[in-house]
Amino acid sequence: DGGITQSPKYLFRKEGQNVTLSCEQNLNHDAMYWYRQDPGQGLRLIYYSQIVNDFQKGDIAEGYSVSREKKESFPLTVTSAQKNPTAFYLCASRHSSYNSPLHFGNGTRLTVT
Amino acid sequence: DQQVKQNSPSLSVQEGRISILNCDYTNSMFDYFLWYKKYPAEGPTFLISISSIKDKNEDGRFTVFLNKSAKHLSLHIVPSQPGDSAVYFCAASVVNNNAGNMLTFGGGTRLMVKP
Repeated sequence: DGGITQSPKYLFRKEGQNVTLSCEQNLNHDAMYWYRQDPGQGLRLIYYSQIVNDFQKGDIAEGYSVSREKKESFPLTVTSAQKNPTAFYLCASRHSSYNSPLHFGNGTRLTVT
Repeated sequence: DQQVKQNSPSLSVQEGRISILNCDYTNSMFDYFLWYKKYPAEGPTFLISISSIKDKNEDGRFTVFLNKSAKHLSLHIVPSQPGDSAVYFCAASVVNNNAGNMLTFGGGTRLMVKP
């Protein structure tokens, strides 16, 4: 079955530590995205990548970093510079064809204390 | 400044009745709109979409209506079922024919369908 896998489902970290969230897809999609969901605020775009070795900042990129070394993988690092890292993080991908919808993973809930 | 707004955070409907979820947008450049459904602790799943060249798109129990002059779209679910209980997100994009068609999401509406 094709899909997007995010791991782990729950993640706990101490303040001041960097943490990397995994996202792997076997849909052969070119584009991948990271969103953050906070209560009542919908989904906000952190970073996206249209092709391997290239990525762009979204609306709320500060305190985050990404890499896209392989088509299948788009890990997100939440750095200690991110002021409010506790959130639900969603990875998505889509085919590059016109108007193809986003496919989402099941998310990672990160709690930083 | 929220470009896509879902002004009702929650909606409660009796099973078998119609559910109407609303969405307003401010960016007149948006020309493609989607609805996603999300269960707790899961990622959103694509439900239905509509291009700005249409004013209605139907898929089974789900119909999306677009009123471009009012910058408003709505999702109708008929008949509503308890399994429809979820958070529904409206999303919009400006189609530029490349993989970077970024979606702008509304804040979501929690639908509860009572048996």
